Amino acid sequence: AQSVTQLDSQVPVFEEAPVELRCNYSSSVSVYLFWYVQYPNQGLQLLLKYLSGSTLVKGINGFEAEFNKSQTSFHLRKPSVHISDTAEYFCAVSPLGGATNKLIFGTGTLLAVQP
Amino acid sequence: EADIYQTPRYLVIGTGKKITLECSQTMGHDKMYWYQQDPGMELHLIHYSYGVNSTEKGDLSSESTVSRIRTEHFPLTLESARPSHTSQYLCASSADGYTFGSGTRLTVV
Repeated sequence: AQSVTQLDSQVPVFEEAPVELRCNYSSSVSVYLFWYVQYPNQGLQLLLKYLSGSTLVKGINGFEAEFNKSQTSFHLRKPSVHISDTAEYFCAVSPLGGATNKLIFGTGTLLAVQP
Repeated sequence: EADIYQTPRYLVIGTGKKITLECSQTMGHDKMYWYQQDPGMELHLIHYSYGVNSTEKGDLSSESTVSRIRTEHFPLTLESARPSHTSQYLCASSADGYTFGSGTRLTVV
């Protein structure tokens, strides 16, 4: 079984400051890793994903994440945030080789960017 | 431009009514999913399908049912809505990654 932990339920940050949203996972098999963003009253939009290859993954809107297998982490970072980045961010994993490719989500982190 | 469509976006309905939430995708994906999301909470898988005429229950027990008669269509039905069904319902499909719809926010009064 897999599980995803997002320790920070809310991260307040000032505009133009850097931010890191933490994600740790637990799995007995190899997994794919994802970050999704959800703006108010919207569905989920894929920010980035790690399937294989380079452990540093770049996504949309200037976000990037680094896969660390030894620490089972996939933290999301942005060097300078904007007000428009205010949203809920979800980390998710999907086990490799699963026929259904089910996604297991963390509880989400609300990124609150203040002027 | 969305490739997966959910209707309605918002629905307020009385207890005991039958409702169907629609989900359609134009990408030809075999795998489709329904997730339930309560406010401020994580998403929980309630149904999935990996092709026509195949449906399975997800990790979170739900009183809803689904059908998959056509590849592009994966509707979710509640035979008798209750206030405990109030939630946001997100539909998704996948090939090598997920695409989510905009969701249906259901309120049962």
